[in-house]
Amino acid sequence: AQTVTQSQPEMSVQEAETVTLSCTYDTSESDYYLFWYKQPPSRQMILVIRQEAYKQQNATENRFSVNFQKAAKSFSLKISDSQLGDAAMYFCAYRSAIAGTASKLTFGTGTRLQVTL
Amino acid sequence: NAGVTQTPKFQVLKTGQSMTLQCAQDMNHEYMSWYRQDPGMGLRLIHYSVGAGITDQGEVPNGYNVSRSTTEDFPLRLLSAAPSQTSVYFCASRGAYNEQFFGPGTRLTVL
Repeated sequence: AQTVTQSQPEMSVQEAETVTLSCTYDTSESDYYLFWYKQPPSRQMILVIRQEAYKQQNATENRFSVNFQKAAKSFSLKISDSQLGDAAMYFCAYRSAIAGTASKLTFGTGTRLQVTL
Repeated sequence: NAGVTQTPKFQVLKTGQSMTLQCAQDMNHEYMSWYRQDPGMGLRLIHYSVGAGITDQGEVPNGYNVSRSTTEDFPLRLLSAAPSQTSVYFCASRGAYNEQFFGPGTRLTVL
């Protein structure tokens, strides 16, 4: 079974600065997908960024980028130019690419990000 | 598009009561799933469905039933509520690019 570990329960960043959230995972599979989700106080789960394991290029979405290290099974999220609206819980998630595992996302325990002035 | 909708938003039950959490999506997604979110444990998969008439168990299925009679709807039934089922429940559907779209969640308290 796959596991996802987020070792930072809480992080803090000043507005306009950069912060990196860590995520490691354990799997014996070679093809899979990784995700970062944001959960603000409204409780809504919002997809931030997605990475396919077969792609070597790191995904980017505006101020959000990932550092995907497949051999190390590491998938960190970098938030640049942090904004107050970035304050939220961030979850790392894994999904197998094997047929028949279509809807199974495995989540980490989350990192709470505070953004200060 | 409304996306994924869930009702109710909040519910309080007494131990032993049964209820159904409703989930609907209007994106014609085949894959739908239910998760529960507990403090310090992230989200855990309860049940999922790969299409109408097909369901399967996730990590924590005990105490819950699901059915999928249409592509749009995927209700979650609590058969006999227990305090251990106090949680926030999320329904999700999977899009064409493997991303999951989540509903707004249902906060359930079992007394």
